Amino acid sequence: KAGVTQTPRYLIKTRGQQVTLSCSPISGHRSVSWYQQTPGQGLQFLFEYFSETQRNKGNFPGRFSGRQFSNSRSEMNVSTLELGDSALYLCASSLDRAGLETQYFGPGTRLLVL
Amino acid sequence: TQLLEQSPQFLSIQEGENLTVYCNSSSVFSSLQWYRQEPGEGPVLLVTVVTGGEVKKLKRLTFQFGDARKDSSLHITAAQPGDTGLYLCAGENDYKLSFGAGTTVTVRA
Repeated sequence: KAGVTQTPRYLIKTRGQQVTLSCSPISGHRSVSWYQQTPGQGLQFLFEYFSETQRNKGNFPGRFSGRQFSNSRSEMNVSTLELGDSALYLCASSLDRAGLETQYFGPGTRLLVL
Repeated sequence: TQLLEQSPQFLSIQEGENLTVYCNSSSVFSSLQWYRQEPGEGPVLLVTVVTGGEVKKLKRLTFQFGDARKDSSLHITAAQPGDTGLYLCAGENDYKLSFGAGTTVTVRA
């Protein structure tokens, strides 16, 4: 069974630009969660999607948004990029409810904002 | 501020030695999970503990959940270079995971 895939793996943007990251969950998984990982803050929860609906949200500004498609693939978007948005963005999928079901993480997209 | 505090932040030991990583919080969690993350990869779930006082063993790894469900520890016996990685604890409440900042473990051959 293929694992969680994330594209692109690396990305360089400049301040003020926007970026879209993509996540394909494990086949059959309906929940997709997104996390931001930085050396200082560790892993921080961004949001979770289930059946195309945002089911849970972390404490991030509105510049961070996401969506999920009918095939469970998910995208997250960051608008008006800031230097502090440089991080590893991880996506995780699970069969159903994140936190109750095992989450399987993708390798992440490393974003550098210059 | 992190909801979960992990200590130590870094740990470097010789192959064959034992190590313990701690995960503490002032919050009570429904469950607590431990992950290991290697460079260039996402975290991989090692174990989930649910009951206060629970102890789980996974080969040379022993995980303990505190009686009050606020803290946990991970003990590795006779560490091997393959145990090298970033160890993360995560507490679950209301279907949301809160992660600690992690402990970087290096096992020298």
